[in-house]
Amino acid sequence: DAGVTQSPTHLIKTRGQHVTLRCSPISGHKSVSWYQQVLGQGPQFIFQYYEKEERGRGNFPDRFSARQFPNYSSELNVNALLLGDSALYLCASSLAHPSREKLFFGSGTQLSVL
Amino acid sequence: TQLLEQSPQFLSIQEGENLTVYCNSSSVFSSLQWYRQEPGEGPVLLVTVVTGGEVKKLKRLTFQFGDARKDSSLHITAAQPGDTGLYLCAGGSSGYSTLTFGKGTMLLVSP
Repeated sequence: DAGVTQSPTHLIKTRGQHVTLRCSPISGHKSVSWYQQVLGQGPQFIFQYYEKEERGRGNFPDRFSARQFPNYSSELNVNALLLGDSALYLCASSLAHPSREKLFFGSGTQLSVL
Repeated sequence: TQLLEQSPQFLSIQEGENLTVYCNSSSVFSSLQWYRQEPGEGPVLLVTVVTGGEVKKLKRLTFQFGDARKDSSLHITAAQPGDTGLYLCAGGSSGYSTLTFGKGTMLLVSP
C-alpha cells in the first residue's frame, strides 16, 4: 500500500506569489493534518481536516487556507508568500482523531521563497 | 498554549555509548508520542505512551511516560550510527485536534 504522498517535493517561489501543495492520505484514512517545519524546529500545526470538515486550525495568518476533497485528499494554499514561509510542509494522515491515532507523515514539500 | 521542551537540543556521541533525551511540559497530555526524522523525510512514529508511569521498549530504545503525564524520556542503549536523526516528542490531548511537537533533539552517532 502507498504511504502518504505529497506533491511537489520541492518548490521555489518569489515573494508575493501563491502556492498550492497537495497531499494524498493512506487509503482508508479520513483525517489529514498539515504542519510547517522550519529548519531546526519541530513541526508546527497548521490545519486538520476530518471527513472534509476543518476540525482544527493553528496560529497561522489567513493567507494560509486548506480544503479536503471527497476522496480525502487535501490541498494547502498559501497566498502572498513571505520569505518566512520558507519551510518543509508536512502532511500527515490518520484513521480518525490525530491525538489518539497513529499519524503517518509524508516526505513533505520543501518550499523556498526568494 | 501547550508547550513541550526537549533537551538536549543537540547530542553528538560515539557508537556504543548510552544516552537519554528528555521531553518536559507544564501541561498534562493524554498521550505522548516519539518520532524520528531523517533529513529530507517526514517524521516516523516510534512509540505512543498513554498511561502515567508507562515504560515501553523497542529493541535498544526505552521510552517512559512520567507519572503525572507531563514529561517523558527516551533512553538509547549502545547507540549505533543508524540511530542518527532528529528525535521529536509530541503530546496529544483529548479535545484537541492535533499534536503539539517539541523542537526536537538532533542526535549524531559517529562510528
